[in-house]
Formats: sequence, C-alpha cells, structure tokens
Amino acid sequence: ILNVEQSPQSLHVQEGDSTNFTCSFPSSNFYALHWYRWETAKSPEALFVMTLNGDEKKKGRISATLNTKEGYSYLYIKGSQPEDSATYLCARSRQSGSARQLTFGSGTQLTVLP
Amino acid sequence: DTGVSQDPRHKITKRGQNVTFRCDPISEHNRLYWYRQTLGQGPEFLTYFQNEAQLEKSRLLSDRFSAERPKGSFSTLEIQRTEQGDSAMYLCASGTPGGASGELFFGEGSRLTVL
Repeated sequence: ILNVEQSPQSLHVQEGDSTNFTCSFPSSNFYALHWYRWETAKSPEALFVMTLNGDEKKKGRISATLNTKEGYSYLYIKGSQPEDSATYLCARSRQSGSARQLTFGSGTQLTVLP
Repeated sequence: DTGVSQDPRHKITKRGQNVTFRCDPISEHNRLYWYRQTLGQGPEFLTYFQNEAQLEKSRLLSDRFSAERPKGSFSTLEIQRTEQGDSAMYLCASGTPGGASGELFFGEGSRLTVL
C-alpha cells in the first residue's frame, strides 16, 4: 500500500442497519490514524485518533479499530440513522519532523435511507 | 463560535484573475495547515505553518500559489492567474503541537470555481 485507500467509495444503507468501512494505509513510519466525518456544508469533524496497534475507540454508535502492522482500520456504525449520512474520511499521519501532516483517503460517502 | 473560520465560503472567478482566501484558526493553535479537496478525492496537503514560519510546502503548490501567516494568527492563501484546474474546496485546519496525536480542527472551507 502506497497511499491511503478507503472502501467502499459509497454506500447506501437502510435506517437501523449496521455498516462498516475500511481504511488501508502504508504501515511504515506510522504515527497516527484519524477518522473524520464530513457532512455537506460543514467542516470535517474529528471522530477518532488512534496510535497504538490494537487500539479500539468508541463514540456512541460509532467505533473504530486499528491494525498498524498490516496497515488497516475499520469504522463501524451500529444502527445507522439518517443523521449519520456524511462522507467518512480516514487520514494517516507519519513521523515527519514537527509537521505531522495528514494524508487522506478519498472517503466513503454514506447515505442512510429512512 | 471559537472554531476555525474561513472567508469567503464561495468564490466564483474568471480564469486569469487572482483570488485570496483567509483563515482564522482557533486562537491558541500555533499550527496551521492548508489543504485542497477536489471532487471525488480526499483533502490534499498544500502547506503548513508553525506560528509565522512556513515550514512545509507540497509540490502541489505551484508558483502561482502563495500563503502567508504574518503575525502567527490568521493566514491567507492567494492564487494568481487562476486556472480552471484550481477549482476546488480549500480547507484550513489548525492544531497544537501537543494536541492528541496531531489532531486537526478544520474550517468549513472556501469553494473556488474558476470559469
């Protein structure tokens, strides 16, 4: 893996369904993995920042896991609601002096149908 | 509102014109980033400031692009002689060195359309 890749590109689910997305990233020089939710006409909102292999984070119905050795993270949404509709971005930061710039994937666009 | 603010939110311009975007970061944040997002892609890093010093610039930042942060607070991103390929969402983000593993806080973006 050379870049941050996300799948699927887009997803439509029914209200109440559970769903998950994948983020794959280069595992070398890894520093942290970030998940953002970006709703239309709003600013990207940070969901999770994870640094350690095996990390699991949870916020309400949303949770995420991290595997730094194989270079992937999963984001899970349990019981999707229409307000979960957004683009979910993952980003990797690498050890790079003081910059710690983020390299983003192209996102998974989730639409939750009522 | 004490979040990151960007102005203007939308800008439509003709090819060849100059445009300038402004970003006001969260006041106590000394790191400031500019990203560009085009349709179907994730945000791409353009440049980074720590206080007033511009410490990193992407190869994406051609010589038509210039960014400043003169007093270490707000920042401007200027695009000279705009081209249709410059049409994108320009996002600003800020953070602190000690912030949770480099967490960034984003503004709502400035959408540029070049006709």
